[in-house]
Formats: sequence, C-alpha cells, structure tokens
Amino acid sequence: EDKVVQSPLSLVVHEGDTVTLNCSYEVTNFRSLLWYKQEKKAPTFLFMLTSSGIEKKSGRLSSILDKKELFSILNITATQTGDSAVYLCAVENYPMNRDDKIIFGKGTRLHILP
Amino acid sequence: GAVVSQHPSWVICKSGTSVKIECRSLDFQATTMFWYRQFPKQSLMLMATSNEGSKATYEQGVEKDKFLINHASLTLSTLTVTSAHPEDSSFYICSACLEGPLPRGGELFFGEGSRLTVL
Repeated sequence: EDKVVQSPLSLVVHEGDTVTLNCSYEVTNFRSLLWYKQEKKAPTFLFMLTSSGIEKKSGRLSSILDKKELFSILNITATQTGDSAVYLCAVENYPMNRDDKIIFGKGTRLHILP
Repeated sequence: GAVVSQHPSWVICKSGTSVKIECRSLDFQATTMFWYRQFPKQSLMLMATSNEGSKATYEQGVEKDKFLINHASLTLSTLTVTSAHPEDSSFYICSACLEGPLPRGGELFFGEGSRLTVL
C-alpha cells in the first residue's frame, strides 16, 4: 500500500531555533516528492525533489531527498513566528499506468513561540 | 483514520463532454471540503469551497457554471467539469476538513487526486 508518513505530528519550538521535519514514503512508482506550507485552505508550494542528495534551498528553508532510504527532510533555520503552519509532504506516483496519484502525509503542525 | 478518497483517479474524455469527480471522506464527516487544481511545480490552486447543504463558494476567476460542485451529504462532494476542453486537462485534488477540537480539529486531509485529460 502506498503511504507517506510525516514526523513529528506536532512540534513547538522557540523563535530562533532550527527544526527538522521528516517525511518517509513507500510508493510503487516514485516520481517526485513535494513539500508544502499550509496556513489557510490552499497549501503553498515549497520544494519539488526528484533526485537524491541534491539540496534545494530557499532562504531559511532547505530540503533533501534520499531515494535509497525513502525519506526527505525539511530544515528551517532561525525560525520565526511566521513559520508557524502545517507542513505537508506529498509524493507523486510516476504515471506509468492509470494510477497517477499524489499521496499526502498527515502533516507536521509547527508552532513557533515568540 | 481520516481518509479521503477520490474517484476516478484517472479519466480521459472527448472535448465537449462533462466529467464528474467524486470526493469522499471515508471515516469522518466533513461539512467543508475544498477543490484544488494542481499545476506543475506550483502551489495547489484553490478553486472552491464546498459546503454541505449549501452553494459552493468559488475563488475569483473560477467559473462556477463550468465547474459545478455539489456537496449533497456530509461525506461526499462532487466536482463536475462541464463541456470540458483541452485546457481543462489537469490534476484535480480535494481535501476535507476534520472538524472538532485541537489538536486535529481544522486539519485538512487530502484525496489522491484525479487526473483529467481532455482530447
């Protein structure tokens, strides 16, 4: 069964701390892994990862994929209160057949204390 | 728990036909569901908010007569793409809002998406 598991489910840290969010997956035909930040109803795209070992970076956020161990991490350094959100990990299945899917994890709810 | 199912996961249709996509919350009730359209390497675009027992609320720029939404029960919302054209080809995703108190209340649970290809 295809699945995406995120950990932790919830995390509370102080402003300025660094956090690491985890996403592990088991899918039949991996295509890409996506990270989103969800504050309201529509998640905002952060990163798309398709290759192992290549770090993607955007400001204080960075992410890397390990296709051998089937996981990805999302790092946020020098956290700010505006980083408080639910961070979603999703995996796209390669469209080799009719089962083109995107599978979301349950998300990590991050709360940054001032 | 908190599983959301979409059907069909993949559909091809001819231009001018209508296609219905279902979104079901399998083990919880959801008075609010959301429909999104995913563009490659971009955010999920919110199309509309589906409210059980009332009319859907559409985002600006989304044609309500083209994308008909019906939320007839607490576990089912449907999106019908009417008179589909090739530019409607996309990946459509739904989510359902788990109601109740924190920590899980208010969380969104996503379906696996439905890929529509219009020839």
